[in-house]
Amino acid sequence: KAGVTQTPRYLIKTRGQQVTLSCSPISGHRSVSWYQQTPGQGLQFLFEYFSETQRNKGNFPGRFSGRQFSNSRSEMNVSTLELGDSALYLCASSLPPQETQYFGPGTRLLVL
Amino acid sequence: DQQVKQNSPSLSVQEGRISILNCDYTNSMFDYFLWYKKYPAEGPTFLISISSIKDKNEDGRFTVFLNKSAKHLSLHIVPSQPGDSAVYFCAASGWSGGSNYKLTFGKGTLLTVNP
Repeated sequence: KAGVTQTPRYLIKTRGQQVTLSCSPISGHRSVSWYQQTPGQGLQFLFEYFSETQRNKGNFPGRFSGRQFSNSRSEMNVSTLELGDSALYLCASSLPPQETQYFGPGTRLLVL
Repeated sequence: DQQVKQNSPSLSVQEGRISILNCDYTNSMFDYFLWYKKYPAEGPTFLISISSIKDKNEDGRFTVFLNKSAKHLSLHIVPSQPGDSAVYFCAASGWSGGSNYKLTFGKGTLLTVNP
């Protein structure tokens, strides 16, 4: 089975721009979660989607949003980028009711 | 408020010896715990998990121990190999006013296994 895939792998943007990241879960997995990893804060939960519905959300500003499509693929969007948004963004999928999440390779975002 | 803590930022062991990575948690609602291994510029790789109804789970060289009364878990790697050198993250999930599909991570421990 193919693992979780994320595109693009690397991205450079400037402050004020917006960005969209994409995640394709493992085949059959219907839950997709997003995390932000920074050196200072570690891995922080952004949000989780299941059957196109956001079920859980972390403590991030409204500039961070996401959605899930009927084929379970997910996108996250960050608007009005700030320097502090530079991070590795990780997507993970799971097969409910199992709680083990499997991660993709991440998208490295650099905001200049 | 850090609900999952890995108090040792780094650990160095000799090849063939045991590596013990520790993790403490504060939220009594956590009922499922996982360990992930991460290399730089890659996503975390799932290693092993344990449910709160158990106190031990083994998978090959990896064993996770859970002490619920102390809110403490540990990962034992025996024998340690140079390829085990990576950052290890402890994560926890549990019902907390919503779904349980949210992992709370510790800050990680960098394990270095010396040949």
